[in-house]
Amino acid sequence: DAKTTQPNSMESNEEEPVHLPCNHSTISGTDYIHWYRQLPSQGPEYVIHGLTSNVNNRMASLAIAEDRKSSTLILHRATLRDAAVYYCILSYNAGNMLTFGGGTRLMVKP
Amino acid sequence: DVKVTQSSRYLVKRTGEKVFLECVQDMDHENMFWYRQDPGLGLRLIYFSYDVKMKEKGDIPEGYSVSREKKERFSLILESASTNQTSMYLCASSSLMGGAETQYFGPGTRLLVL
Repeated sequence: DAKTTQPNSMESNEEEPVHLPCNHSTISGTDYIHWYRQLPSQGPEYVIHGLTSNVNNRMASLAIAEDRKSSTLILHRATLRDAAVYYCILSYNAGNMLTFGGGTRLMVKP
Repeated sequence: DVKVTQSSRYLVKRTGEKVFLECVQDMDHENMFWYRQDPGLGLRLIYFSYDVKMKEKGDIPEGYSVSREKKERFSLILESASTNQTSMYLCASSSLMGGAETQYFGPGTRLLVL
């Protein structure tokens, strides 16, 4: 399974954009890049995913490098409710399986 | 909205007891998963199932078994609970379409084995 590398923690100010980086240098051509987040005392929840092109949804944007060896999750305006652990994950087994790494703990300051 | 429910949020059991953790999803998903989450170790896959009565071992199946008699229900069984099985247990489900299926997680069951 291809692995991802993320910073252990990041800080942001409320209402400012946040860029969460992820390296996945061993990604294969069929691996999708997923982002999940886990709020305190909850199960992980889906944020966004992509294959090659940048993606936008109501929660966030995903910017994927041209060589696909890295990606960045962008929260356009961080709120206190965005404080969570963010996981960057590559799926395998035809997209059915996810391997969670350590994630990035995002702290948002008022 | 997809809903994945787990039978208990908190559970306290004694060493040697048989423990059942139940998970139910309401989206007719083929895939269901059981993970455990421990500080510093992240989420680790215990078992998964891609159809009724089908099961596959994940990364850490030792000490656990599973049952999937109905499509919507996936049970995790600790045959004889031990203190090292104290953990947060998370159930998830997804559809079997290939590509990049979203996994939907339940709220988790925090199990303490004394």
